[in-house]
Amino acid sequence: SQQGEEDPQALSIQEGENATMNCSYKTSINNLQWYRQNSGRGLVHLILIRSNEREKHSGRLRVTLDTSKKSSSLLITASRAADTASYFCATDVDYKLSFGAGTTVTVRA
Amino acid sequence: SQTIHQWPATLVQPVGSPLSLECTVEGTSNPNLYWYRQAAGRGLQLLFYSVGIGQISSEVPQNLSASRPQDRQFILSSKKLLLSDSGFYLCAWGGPGRGNSPLHFGNGTRLTVT
Repeated sequence: SQQGEEDPQALSIQEGENATMNCSYKTSINNLQWYRQNSGRGLVHLILIRSNEREKHSGRLRVTLDTSKKSSSLLITASRAADTASYFCATDVDYKLSFGAGTTVTVRA
Repeated sequence: SQTIHQWPATLVQPVGSPLSLECTVEGTSNPNLYWYRQAAGRGLQLLFYSVGIGQISSEVPQNLSASRPQDRQFILSSKKLLLSDSGFYLCAWGGPGRGNSPLHFGNGTRLTVT
């Protein structure tokens, strides 16, 4: 069953703008991870945030985690055309990652 | 460095034919291995995972099976494909132990059953 749900399903922004997407999940987690998928390719890991962390940064990425609300957000700052992709949150329960349906981000030049 | 190989990249098979997709990992030992399927425009559905040789856990009862004959080899099989088996199949590996590590994905196999 799908644990996480991303919102919005799709997002179109101008190059240079920020992109924010959200993830909600249902059960307690060990950690939450964000992945990117370019069209027709495998997923690439972006960032992992543990359940006892509230915020994490990696380059132009900022992830927040609110375990009381069972939600996370991914912010991409100063977007570029190369950021066009689908973004997935994944929640870690035991050995397994459960993925949401993703947010498709289109960055317009 | 670690790498993951998955083949073939694309496959078109008739209904009722067998299937064998192979995935191998290099540069790591005793990885956790995973098969996911992604329907068009959808998220990933976990099909099988393995924490060691010969140890396979199935997440979804279906027409598929998985095997792990060697530490870094993971095979997805079917004896008779159905139309509903079409999709994008992704193999992934993660660190040993109970989670808390990222997954590393192959480039996937796009399977079309006709």
